[in-house]
Order: sequence, then structure tokens, then C-alpha cells
Amino acid sequence: GQNIDQPTEMTATEGAIVQINCTYQTSGFNGLFWYQQHAGEAPTFLSYNVLDGLEEKGRFSSFLSRSKGYSYLLLKELQMKDSASYLCAVVYGNKLVFGAGTILRVKS
Amino acid sequence: GAGVSQSPSNKVTEKGKDVELRCDPISGHTALYWYRQSLGQGLEFLIYFQGNSAPDKSGLPSDRFSAERTGGSVSTLTIQRTQQEDSAVYLCASSLGGTGRVNTEAFFGQGTRLTVV
Repeated sequence: GQNIDQPTEMTATEGAIVQINCTYQTSGFNGLFWYQQHAGEAPTFLSYNVLDGLEEKGRFSSFLSRSKGYSYLLLKELQMKDSASYLCAVVYGNKLVFGAGTILRVKS
Repeated sequence: GAGVSQSPSNKVTEKGKDVELRCDPISGHTALYWYRQSLGQGLEFLIYFQGNSAPDKSGLPSDRFSAERTGGSVSTLTIQRTQQEDSAVYLCASSLGGTGRVNTEAFFGQGTRLTVV
């Protein structure tokens, strides 16, 4: 299958750093997205990786290791508004497959 | 259109009735996805269209579920003889189609909240 695994829930403190991991089956890999979904809203694009390494965009960074089938999303200087679900999605061929998402709770 | 549009936004139906959910993708997007999301849960893949054909319909949970797409644009998800466990938010997403970030980034509609009573 194309199992995409992420932790179900994480809790972190305002101002801290949190890393959300994602592992996936490497066969057929063609790119990886991270999406953010606030409760009651549709998912929105956060980041995209297709080559190994770190992509940084403001407080958010995403890392990819294609050989290990591993990615992480790093959120710095956490804010209360970062409380949301974070979805890892992998492109197999030209089809996008989503993981179940990680619910992040930011506490003050 | 400017974004992915889904209708209705909310639907309450009686158990055993049929429902149709509609998705208008972004103009020019050839790839279209249907997902289901129960409260507090992740996205459950239902079906994927490339143009009018569905190369992957493996996520449809039973033969009560079907979907079609016409003219490479609008898609309809039909649920026959609805059951209470069908209650969920049904999300549609579209992308340009092809490979690479620009072509595979999926844009989501606001979803249809289906409640079966």
C-alpha cells in the first residue's frame, strides 16, 4: 500500500518549537505536501518538497529524505493560532494521497 | 471559477434516502478528488478522477457510493440508501493534473456536511 504515517496528536507550548513527522512508502514517490486544516475549514497548502533537504518559509520549515521515506514539518515560535491538524500528502505518480493528519494543540 | 465550489454546504437527509453532492472544480483542473472526513478524523480517500475517467475508485466504501464527472469539469458524488454512518463532511479537491508541484497541488472546496437522521 501507500501507508502514510503521522502521529495522531501532539501538544506543545506557545513560543516553543514542534516537529511533526511523516513516513511513507517510497515506491512511486513524486513529491510531498504539507497542508494545514483548522477545525471546520478546508485544508490549505503549507509546503512542498520533492528534493532532499530543508525548505524554509517563515516560521514553518519542511524536510525531506527520499531514501528514508521520511519528512517532517517544523513549526517555530508557536502561536495559539497554530492549533490545527497538519496533513502530510504524498504524490504517487500524479495522484495525491493524504495521511490521516496530526492534531496539534498549542497551550499557553 | 475562482475556487472549488461544493453544493450544498449542508444536507440533512433521512436514512434510506439517496443524496447527490456536487463539486465544481477550478476551471482547467483535470484532476479531481473526493474525500470524506468524520468529526475529528483525517481525510478518507474516496475516488480520483483524471478528466472524466476514474483511475482509482478504491476508496468508495460500498456499492451504495458512486461518482461521475462530465465534460472534464463538474463531478457528482451519489450516495444511495443513506445510512447514519455516512454522516460526515465530504470534501472535493482539484488540481491541474500532471506532475510537479504546480500540477499536483490540490485546492479544496469548503465541503458538504451530510447528516443522516
